[in-house]
Amino acid sequence: DAGVIQSPRHEVTEMGQEVTLRCKPISGHNSLFWYRQTMMRGLELLIYFNNNVPIDDSGMPEDRFSAKMPNASFSTLKIQPSEPRDSAVYFCASSWGNTIYFGEGSWLTVV
Amino acid sequence: AQKITQTQPGMFVQEKEAVTLDCTYDTSDQSYGLFWYKQPSSGEMIFLIYQGSYDEQNATEGRYSLNFQKARKSANLVISASQLGDSAMYFCAMREGRGLTGGGNKLTFGTGTQLKVEL
Repeated sequence: DAGVIQSPRHEVTEMGQEVTLRCKPISGHNSLFWYRQTMMRGLELLIYFNNNVPIDDSGMPEDRFSAKMPNASFSTLKIQPSEPRDSAVYFCASSWGNTIYFGEGSWLTVV
Repeated sequence: AQKITQTQPGMFVQEKEAVTLDCTYDTSDQSYGLFWYKQPSSGEMIFLIYQGSYDEQNATEGRYSLNFQKARKSANLVISASQLGDSAMYFCAMREGRGLTGGGNKLTFGTGTQLKVEL
């Protein structure tokens, strides 16, 4: 079975550019999470969806960040405009019941 | 107050020996779940084991077991017969509440323990 699929795996972009990260959750999972990992702050929940509806976006750092889940098999996390402090690993995870599985992460570097 | 506390930033263990990674948690919910994840140097987050607050038995998955002591609010991970491939960062996480219908609620993570398995 395919796991959570994220793209791109690595992205290097210039400050001010728009970044779009993509996620395909595991089929049948109805919750989806976006996490960010940095050395300074560890793993932080940015936003999560249940049945494609955003439930809690209190972790989204500012208006430059937005996330959508147009259907059960796809979600995006967009940063516009990007800043160097956004450099991190962004994980998508999906869940059904007590199982929560992570994708391999998108490594973002903003220069 | 920290919801998840991992007090061991780094641990060393000899190959084939058992190791315990500590995790304490803080919640006022009666229903919650505890998770352990492994993050090798390649960066992916690998689900290892889950313990529900109402589970009477300690969870086990192969060489992994969770020593759940509810009164002490601890959920330590025990890895038996350590292997070189167990060298990684290990994260404890908690889901508070019952979780949404059919789906998981958000996880709060600890700061992790870096485990190094030596020959």
